[in-house]
Amino acid sequence: QSVLTQPPSVSGAPGQRVTISCTGSSSNIGAGYDVHWYQQLPGTAPKLLIYGNSNRPSGVPDRFSGSKSGTSASLAITGLQAEDEADYYCQSYDSSLSGFWVFGGGTKLTVL
Amino acid sequence: EVQLVESGGGLVQPGGSLRLSCAASGFTFSSYAMSWVRQAPGKGLEWVSAISGSGGSTYYADSVKGRFTISRDNSKNTLYLQMNSLRAEDTAVYYCAKGPLIVATPNHYFDYWGQGTLVTVSS
Repeated sequence: QSVLTQPPSVSGAPGQRVTISCTGSSSNIGAGYDVHWYQQLPGTAPKLLIYGNSNRPSGVPDRFSGSKSGTSASLAITGLQAEDEADYYCQSYDSSLSGFWVFGGGTKLTVL
Repeated sequence: EVQLVESGGGLVQPGGSLRLSCAASGFTFSSYAMSWVRQAPGKGLEWVSAISGSGGSTYYADSVKGRFTISRDNSKNTLYLQMNSLRAEDTAVYYCAKGPLIVATPNHYFDYWGQGTLVTVSS
């Protein structure tokens, strides 16, 4: 059971917009800690997609955007492409007893 | 270009030990905090341990505290993870990951990742 909750799967057709939610609590996202997002293509290492809630590293297309509100965060992907099919993970910090840096359970994006 | 290359994984019996290494290049190694993140087969990501750029501060997930030790040799640009008393549930791909700052703040994240090394704990 992950501290941050993500839907196991989402899907969309090419060109569509999809969103992936990341729900936390008052000890992590709700406490004001930043949320970061990673993309893991099949058989590869994770790659940083969004940092500091809404910032894109150099080279990440502006089709990817992040937002945060209250105890939740979201990753939005517009103009969906076949190569976006991957697993997506959110990450934040949790100040509870089990503490430190935590990941969501991951969301499998399928491009129909 | 930032490169992180892990090594040292393999098959080990329960209760055994293993030391992972991560060779870094393409950046000033001592200026950045580093972490280990693992992924069990077919499962999600789990942060394991972190260390500051100087090596003076270390952090561990509860699941590995007392069994794993993170360290670094800044003269060799290498990060290590000493894993003792290994259990079946430690079976995973272990990734080395670079942080954005010299210290691991609460808003720490992982901006570059290695390709991972597989650790299998089984008799």
